[in-house]
Amino acid sequence: AQKVTQAQTEISVVEKEDVTLDCVYETRDTTYYLFWYKQPPSGELVFLIRRNSFDEQNEISGRYSWNFQKSTSSFNFTITASQVVDSAVYFCALSESNYGQNFVFGPGTRLSVLP
Amino acid sequence: KAGVTQTPRYLIKTRGQQVTLSCSPISGHRSVSWYQQTPGQGLQFLFEYFSETQRNKGNFPGRFSGRQFSNSRSEMNVSTLELGDSALYLCASSMRPTSSGNTIYFGEGSWLTVV
Repeated sequence: AQKVTQAQTEISVVEKEDVTLDCVYETRDTTYYLFWYKQPPSGELVFLIRRNSFDEQNEISGRYSWNFQKSTSSFNFTITASQVVDSAVYFCALSESNYGQNFVFGPGTRLSVLP
Repeated sequence: KAGVTQTPRYLIKTRGQQVTLSCSPISGHRSVSWYQQTPGQGLQFLFEYFSETQRNKGNFPGRFSGRQFSNSRSEMNVSTLELGDSALYLCASSMRPTSSGNTIYFGEGSWLTVV
């Protein structure tokens, strides 16, 4: 069955620190997709990145980077030089191609960046 | 390009009443999914519609129902409201069903309070 674990419930850092949010997933599918979303206090989940199971290249987008490792079933998210505006709840999600028909979200990690 | 639009944004209902929430997907998107978000249960999948057909349903009682219209707009209905139905209801749209690995884009949600 699909499952996504985000072991860090809350993280607090001081501005300009680097922070890594962990995501571990379980799937029996060979083709699957991993996502990260950001949820600010307004409520809307904002899409950050999508990765398919065949693409293990790490990705960097500005201050954001993602490390996908199939060997450990992990898809971790790092924010470099964090800013107050990064404060939000971050969700990792899994979508399977063959066995699942919907997204499964992790419980989320609440990130607080203090000035 | 307009994003996913949900109405109403906030509403208060009395236990036993029913409620209808509306979602207009991004133009060109034909798949609409609904999620319930609560502090205790996190993000839980309700159902997904594609081309007016329900593709999948989460583990919710029959009081929760939905439909999709020919213009891809969707509504969800909750009958005989219970206090535990108080939640943020999020709608998400994608071009094709989520089993295709498509990214889903969320609206700002409808905050429902049952008193």
